Amino acid sequence: GAVVSQHPSRVICKSGTSVKIECRSLDFQATTMFWYRQFPKQSLMLMATSNEGSKATYEQGVEKDKFLINHASLTLSTLTVTSAHPEDSSFYICSARDRGQQETQYFGPGTRLLVL
Amino acid sequence: SQKIEQNSEALNIQEGKTATLTCNYTNYSPAYLQWYRQDPGRGPVFLLLIRENEKEKRKERLKVTFDTTLKQSLFHITASQPADSATYLCALDPFWGGKLIFGQGTELSVKP
Repeated sequence: GAVVSQHPSRVICKSGTSVKIECRSLDFQATTMFWYRQFPKQSLMLMATSNEGSKATYEQGVEKDKFLINHASLTLSTLTVTSAHPEDSSFYICSARDRGQQETQYFGPGTRLLVL
Repeated sequence: SQKIEQNSEALNIQEGKTATLTCNYTNYSPAYLQWYRQDPGRGPVFLLLIRENEKEKRKERLKVTFDTTLKQSLFHITASQPADSATYLCALDPFWGGKLIFGQGTELSVKP
């Protein structure tokens, strides 16, 4: 089946540092990947849509200079949280859409970010 | 305003019973609706997709219905087991552009 991995699974960093999260589709090509954020007991909130080879599209209220997204290949997208602050602490989840199956998104296991 | 709501934050049932979860939406006309399962600290796992022209879809002990007139989807788990305990999310693509909007989820707890 379609498998999406994320790395790291959890990260603790100091305030002001940058953190990079990788999202990989392991057995399929993903022309589109999505980045979500989820706070405790809340649903997933879409942050941005990442298309291979082009700039990401950010949802309203998401700072593109703070959350840098790169989708350099059909199997890899990265999210960099720049100058992280404690309020950026959250669960970040990526998903990928199989190029041959446009409707279903396959989610990664998530990355828990804690900014001290 | 456009929104998607699931019936309750938590649902507790006895093992062996049927769990029924509700997803209601307003001001959308989605081509399809999806259901996902999410365990604590994990990403969602895709379960079922139902299209606007389908009334019902089944997969093993799971059944989903989709009523575009009522703007509602029902998700059933028959012969529920403690292993079915998780949060279940409904999601739809309101603008037919591939971006999913999620409900807030219903936390199901199946007691032995």
